[in-house]
Amino acid sequence: GAVVSQHPSWVICKSGTSVKIECRSLDFQATTMFWYRQFPKQSLMLMATSNEGSKATYEQGVEKDKFLINHASLTLSTLTVTSAHPEDSSFYICSARVQGGYGYTFGSGTRLTVV
Amino acid sequence: QQQVKQSPQSLIVQKGGIPIINCAYENTAFDYFPWYQQFPGKGPALLIAIRPDVSEKKEGRFTISFNKSAKQFSLHIMDSQPGDSATYFCAASLSGSARQLTFGSGTQLTVLP
Repeated sequence: GAVVSQHPSWVICKSGTSVKIECRSLDFQATTMFWYRQFPKQSLMLMATSNEGSKATYEQGVEKDKFLINHASLTLSTLTVTSAHPEDSSFYICSARVQGGYGYTFGSGTRLTVV
Repeated sequence: QQQVKQSPQSLIVQKGGIPIINCAYENTAFDYFPWYQQFPGKGPALLIAIRPDVSEKKEGRFTISFNKSAKQFSLHIMDSQPGDSATYFCAASLSGSARQLTFGSGTQLTVLP
């Protein structure tokens, strides 16, 4: 089946530094990748939608300069949290629509802790 | 109009019981309704999904019931096991490859041994 590989699984960084999260579609081409954020015991909140070769579309309230998304190829999308602060600590998850169907496949998530 | 409302927030059942989780939506243009299972520290995994032209779909111990006129759908887990203890999310999406999922608020299920 369609697999999205997300790395790293967890990361701890110091306040003010930047962190990059990668999502790769392993056996299919992901023309569209979705990035979610999830706080403990809450649902997934869509942050942005990235399309290969074009600028990402951010949801209202999401700072595009803080959460940089790059979707340079059909198999790789990255989310960079710039100048991270403790309030950016969260669980970040990527997802891609499976080609030729209605399903969506999710990465395993990245636990970001900013200290 | 994009919301998907999910209930209950939490649910505790005995092993072998049949937990039922309900979701309601407003946007009649939604045409794909999946259920996801999420374990702590992991991404959501697709359990089962249904399209509005079908009233029921069963895969293994999981069944979706869909009521188009009421704009509601539900997940039933037959013969529940402690390993089913997880958070369950319903979701809905519009057609089109760039259409994102709209998630319900989640239900934390605990199956007691």
